Order: sequence, then C-alpha cells, then structure tokens
Amino acid sequence: DMKVTQMPRYLIKRMGENVLLECGQDMSHETMYWYRQDPGLGLQLIYISYDVDSNSEGDIPKGYRVSRKKREHFSLILDSAKTNQTSVYFCASSSGQNTEVFFGKGTRLTVV
Amino acid sequence: AQSVDQPDAHVTLSEGASLELRCSYSYSAAPYLFWYVQYPGQSLQFLLKYITGDTVVKGTKGFEAEFRKSNSSFNLKKSPAHWSDSAKYFCALELGNEKITFGAGTKLTIKP
Repeated sequence: DMKVTQMPRYLIKRMGENVLLECGQDMSHETMYWYRQDPGLGLQLIYISYDVDSNSEGDIPKGYRVSRKKREHFSLILDSAKTNQTSVYFCASSSGQNTEVFFGKGTRLTVV
Repeated sequence: AQSVDQPDAHVTLSEGASLELRCSYSYSAAPYLFWYVQYPGQSLQFLLKYITGDTVVKGTKGFEAEFRKSNSSFNLKKSPAHWSDSAKYFCALELGNEKITFGAGTKLTIKP
C-alpha cells in the first residue's frame, strides 16, 4: 500500500516551544519533501531530502530544520516556534525526477 | 526566475460545461509540468504530467492538459464537468534538481 503518513494530524503549540513533525513512507522513495500551505500562497517548499543525511534547503527554510536518518522517515523541526509558522504542513515523497509525488494528509499546526 | 502562475483564484461552472483551468510558467529549461487536485479536507493527488513528446497528455479522472511552448502554458481541461470535480487544482513545475514549485491554485466550483 503506497502511503505517506504524517503525525500528528493536529497540533497546538505555544510560541517559543519546540515542534517535531514526523513523516514516514512505505515506498522506499529516495526523495522526500516538506511543504507548507497557506491560503492564497499554494505550497511552499521548505526542505527537500534526496536520501539519508542528504538534505537541501527549499524556498523558505528559515526557522526550520530537518532530519533524515532512515530512508523511510523525514522529520521537520521547529526550534522555538513562532506564530507566523501557523500553517498546514505537508510531507511528500517521490521515486525521483519526473515522477508522481505522493503527499501525506498534512499536519495542521497552530502556534499561539 | 522559475515560477508558476494560475491567474484564476476561483472558477465557477455549471455541471455539464467544459472546464479549462489556466496555468503559465516561467522557466529557462525544458519544463516538467504537473497538475494535482486537492479535495476539501484532503491532501494533494496527482492528475497528470507533461515531460516530453505529445503536447496533449491525459490523466486520471477524465482530465487532460495541453502543453503550449509558444505561450508557456499548460492548461487543464475536462468535458463535461461533474459536480464531484469541485476541488482546488494546482499546477506545478519541476526543476532540474527535483524541487517542485507550485502555483497558488484555482478553486473550482461546479454547480449541480
């Protein structure tokens, strides 16, 4: 079953707290992504990972970091969350260039 | 700089009409273009892609898209439209390094 799983689905954090968003995929995909979706802005790429410990910044990496220690897992970390990081975060994976990207169901993060 | 533009934030049609959602891109190299659909409360799902070859590509759910290099467009089409096609549609451009940039999306409403 081809699936990208995100945990948790909903999260409320206070400003200044650390946040860990986790993502897993069962397709052995090398490439994984973290995007955030805000109204009117579409999806913005935060980070891309090409494999274990091979990560690259996307368009909006400031305030975020990632970790990929196993091919099937890709984590997004917010150190000291800010209110402007309130958003819906999508994890995704693909088998490489020019291929379909599979998305998780998203995590709705609210920073208060 | 590379970018994707979806000029219509909202499109409303009657069931049975023909739909065409517009997408234009800016990219100096050969483009790899995609359409994704997001139903309310759900994640993004792949519809179709253009890599090379035939300029009209067919995808899932009865959709097709036409690539026009002359005006840098990749419009999504379907006829007839069904009320279940109501969703948000995203055009996307893949860059050479597998990074994918998305348009802001078009929210399509089909009236029964």
